[in-house]
Parts: sequence; C-alpha cells; structure tokens
Amino acid sequence: KNQVEQSPQSLIILEGKNCTLQCNYTVSPFSNLRWYKQDTGRGPVSLTIMTFSENTKSNGRYTATLDADTKQSSLHITASQLSDSASYICVVSVASGGSYIPTFGRGTSLIVHP
Amino acid sequence: DGGITQSPKYLFRKEGQNVTLSCEQNLNHDAMYWYRQDPGQGLRLIYYSQIVNDFQKGDIAEGYSVSREKKESFPLTVTSAQKNPTAFYLCATLDSSTFMNTEAFFGQGTRLTVV
Repeated sequence: KNQVEQSPQSLIILEGKNCTLQCNYTVSPFSNLRWYKQDTGRGPVSLTIMTFSENTKSNGRYTATLDADTKQSSLHITASQLSDSASYICVVSVASGGSYIPTFGRGTSLIVHP
Repeated sequence: DGGITQSPKYLFRKEGQNVTLSCEQNLNHDAMYWYRQDPGQGLRLIYYSQIVNDFQKGDIAEGYSVSREKKESFPLTVTSAQKNPTAFYLCATLDSSTFMNTEAFFGQGTRLTVV
C-alpha cells in the first residue's frame, strides 16, 4: 500500500529558531511531492512542488529537499515566525490510469512560541 | 474569482439523519476529492471523481455517498450508516492533466457535529 509517513508528529519551537520536518514515502510510481501548510480550520495550501529530478526547492523561508533514491523529503523552516504555527502536510502524487492521485501524510503540527 | 466553495461551514446533525455537504468549483478541474480530517489522523480519502458521472471509493467510503452530475459540483452525503461522522470535511480539486499540475486546491471545509 502506498504510504507517506511524516515525523515528528508535533514540534514546538521558539520564534526565530529553525526547524526541519521529515517525510518518508513508499508511493510508486512516484510523480511529484508537495508540501502543504494547513492553518487550523482551513484548507491546506501548497508551499512547494518537487519532481524526481529536483533535489532542492525554496519558497521564501521554506526550503524543501528530496532524495528520490531513499524516498525521503524534508522541509526546513528558517527564522520561524508565530504565523508559521500550523500543520505541514507532505503529499506524494501517484500516476494512476492516466491521471494523478495525491496521497497525504498525517502532517506535522508545528507550534511557534514567542 | 476562481475557487472552491464548501457549504455550510458548520453543520449539526441529529443521530440517524442524512446530511449533504456541498462542494462547488469554478476552476474547471476534472478531478474532485472528499477528505475527512480528525485530530491526529491527517487527511483520509472518502471518495474521488476523475470525470463527470464517475467516482471511486477512497479509503473510508463506508457510510458516505457522492454524485458527480456536473463538472462543477461534487456533493457528499453523510448517511446514518456512518457511525462516527463528527469531523472536519475538506473538498479538493486537482488539475490532473500533467504530472506538474497536481496541486490540490482545497475549500475552507465543513465542520460536521452530531448532536
């Protein structure tokens, strides 16, 4: 069964600090990997997308890495802000019947304290 | 403006009743999805539809039903057979025509509570 595992489940850091979230997947055939940010009670919003040929992708203070050989991705957040408090969800798309099915991880809940 | 509209935002249901959650999109995306989100569980797929008049069961379809009569609409009915329906429900669309266009766009969600 295709799976996407994220760690840690939750994380608490102080404002201004950096943190790294992990995503391991067994999805096959792999199409692409996205990181989403979900604020409480809202729908997720895409942060980055990476295909199998990309190793690093940045979006402001967010940097995603991908190792397609080990099937691991990470999301690094630099100089965290209070507004970064949210759930971060790793999503891997699977090619299926001519289209693409997203498989979601359970997410990492990040809390940034002042 | 383009987007996905879910309604209502909050919904209360008595035990034994069926309720229907609305999801409308004007993004012209073919694929639409319904997810359920519980605390600590992440997003779990209920049903999805790749094209009008066709839909497939996801991982937790029992107690739910859907229809896809129009490209723009994908309503979800939570039936009385769903034993634990209290949850946050998210509708999403996907332009799945190419492997780069697989960003899922989400509505703002419906929080369903059984009273």
